[in-house]
Amino acid sequence: QITLKESGPTLVKPTQTLTLTCTISGFSLSPSGVGVGWIRQPPGKALEWLALIYWDDDKLYSPSLKSRLTITKDTSKNQVVLTMTNMDPVDTATYYCAHRDPVDSFDIWGQGTMVTVSS
Amino acid sequence: DIQMTQSPSTLSASVGDRVTITCRASQSLSSWLAWYQQKPGKAPKLLIYKASSLESGVPSRFSGSASGTEFTLTISSLQPDDFATYYCQQFNTYWTFGQGTKVEIK
Repeated sequence: QITLKESGPTLVKPTQTLTLTCTISGFSLSPSGVGVGWIRQPPGKALEWLALIYWDDDKLYSPSLKSRLTITKDTSKNQVVLTMTNMDPVDTATYYCAHRDPVDSFDIWGQGTMVTVSS
Repeated sequence: DIQMTQSPSTLSASVGDRVTITCRASQSLSSWLAWYQQKPGKAPKLLIYKASSLESGVPSRFSGSASGTEFTLTISSLQPDDFATYYCQQFNTYWTFGQGTKVEIK
């Protein structure tokens, strides 16, 4: 059974860097084709894709946020880490990680973690 | 950049109604379009992938179709469990979600 679980701070101050960890189980980050992405959702608003990392360490970023995002993986720890710099109150959202399936949809999602940006 | 325009933003319907939600792409896509259902406080759930393929375990009252740059999610007979928000999602170089359609009780 594939599961993903997000972890990280619930509150960050403006200008700080956010670091979120997605811990996976039931699959490995090694096999060809595997990808894990991050998606966020501000309260009451739509989903927004942020970044994705592939099994071969290739990475894709949202063009609008690319300068602020870094995605990495630790295959031995079964973790995918997203960092977002220069946090602002508009970045307040629930952040999800999700498993990319072979046809580029997200078939399994974590429960999400709510991050509030406030001084 | 491909933009996804989802409509309507809100839809009021009754149990048993046939419901249709549309996503229009700003340019031609591959068939890499998916539909998700999201309930309050929960993560999205994949319903349809590749425009018209039903995800395992999803009731057959859900269906998807495509015609050119227009993609449609249809619920053939709305059930109480279907009141939720629905999102389309495309992939072409990167991923984009639609703005969402809230299906509420009429």
